[in-house]
Amino acid sequence: NAGVTQTPKFRVLKTGQSMTLLCAQDMNHEYMYWYRQDPGMGLRLIHYSVGEGTTAKGEVPDGYNVSRLKKQNFLLGLESAAPSQTSVYFCASSYIRGRVSDTQYFGPGTRLTVL
Amino acid sequence: QKEVEQDPGPLSVPEGAIVSLNCTYSNSAFQYFMWYRQYSRKGPELLMYTYSSGNKEDGRFTAQVDKSSKYISLFIRDSQPSDSATYLCALTNAGGTSYGKLTFGQGTILTVHP
Repeated sequence: NAGVTQTPKFRVLKTGQSMTLLCAQDMNHEYMYWYRQDPGMGLRLIHYSVGEGTTAKGEVPDGYNVSRLKKQNFLLGLESAAPSQTSVYFCASSYIRGRVSDTQYFGPGTRLTVL
Repeated sequence: QKEVEQDPGPLSVPEGAIVSLNCTYSNSAFQYFMWYRQYSRKGPELLMYTYSSGNKEDGRFTAQVDKSSKYISLFIRDSQPSDSATYLCALTNAGGTSYGKLTFGQGTILTVHP
């Protein structure tokens, strides 16, 4: 049981390049989330999904797109990377619907630098 | 004004000290209160969660919520070097469009030195 995994662990991009971050969970969780973490800002929600085939915007969605084609995977895309998107990206998932307090399990993070 | 404010520290204490970590919030709709611990270069993990005002204890950790003051605290007794981490408070509403979404504080960096 690997929990939540993220690929890649590190990446350096040039401004304008595109990339996709992959999140996978093997816990059969319904809900999945993408956050970014910046110094002094805590974790901020980018996009989230409440089930396969669904996505919704979070607090800071601009410049990002997401897809949830399979229940276990949640992809975060940057179409044209900007230096402001330099950050650590965390994926999380949670299981039980109907309980807002359900634990979110986090992946190990992806460190992205945009030059 | 941010919805959740947390002193980022850093906080450095000797082993065995009592540590107090705090968050204030402005949105009275928040009803669930959580503390996450994040070790360096790792993802956050849930430490404790509370719903109502009052105290909740789990071993050396006590979470305290004062809804009237919009103030939450995490106390660590007999702190250990292994407690060195960033501690993030996280709050969420009970439902509606905010369902399941957490609002995090900035995180407090704690170092416990032997």
